Amino acid sequence: ETGVTQTPRHLVMGMTNKKSLKCEQHLGHNAMYWYKQSAKKPLELMFVYSLEERVENNSVPSRFSPECPNSSHLFLHLHTLQPEDSALYLCASSQEGHYNSPLHFGNGTRLTVT
Amino acid sequence: AQKVTQAQTEISVVEKEDVTLDCVYETRDTTYYLFWYKQPPSGELVFLIRRNSFDEQNEISGRYSWNFQKSTSSFNFTITASQVVDSAVYFCALSVVTQGGSEKLVFGKGTKLTVNP
Repeated sequence: ETGVTQTPRHLVMGMTNKKSLKCEQHLGHNAMYWYKQSAKKPLELMFVYSLEERVENNSVPSRFSPECPNSSHLFLHLHTLQPEDSALYLCASSQEGHYNSPLHFGNGTRLTVT
Repeated sequence: AQKVTQAQTEISVVEKEDVTLDCVYETRDTTYYLFWYKQPPSGELVFLIRRNSFDEQNEISGRYSWNFQKSTSSFNFTITASQVVDSAVYFCALSVVTQGGSEKLVFGKGTKLTVNP
């Protein structure tokens, strides 16, 4: 098992669809993150969950809704997205409490909104 | 403001050449950490190195070396004798503590390195 697994790898959805991105980590970490990677922009932090509680929400539109049911799983629920939301969505995990422990990333979900 | 600048958008070299990727950061914190990540075409970001602000010793790991200069707020990354497998996008990142008390990374825009055979 790889450390951080994201599904699906690719997703194409219309603006009226509802879909979810899934992330699972097998590293025993207690913090999980969603990052958005758009072309020619720095990676943008979207959400941080620590011990299953959301501790950071970086002014992300409400059409993105995260869910962290336990320390190993993280979801990003999507609805009524816009074409500019097309990007690579990366999940990461780390061990909070070990200051600045490295983030471990998944392969990402390449999202295209049509 | 916390910021990371990678001025080189794309670099192309021929195999076996040495190449240096630049990273300049801005922070008001006295304690901070810097990172380099590699993103191959598969998409996953791979952790390469972490350096804390109190440790200015240069580090070497195989063909990789890092030069941390606090005086110029730079944390440059050199690949010696580059290989085709080094082709990837490389990100420099700075750790910050958010208002919520959690830690997060601020990334540069990345440098795309292409190593040609």
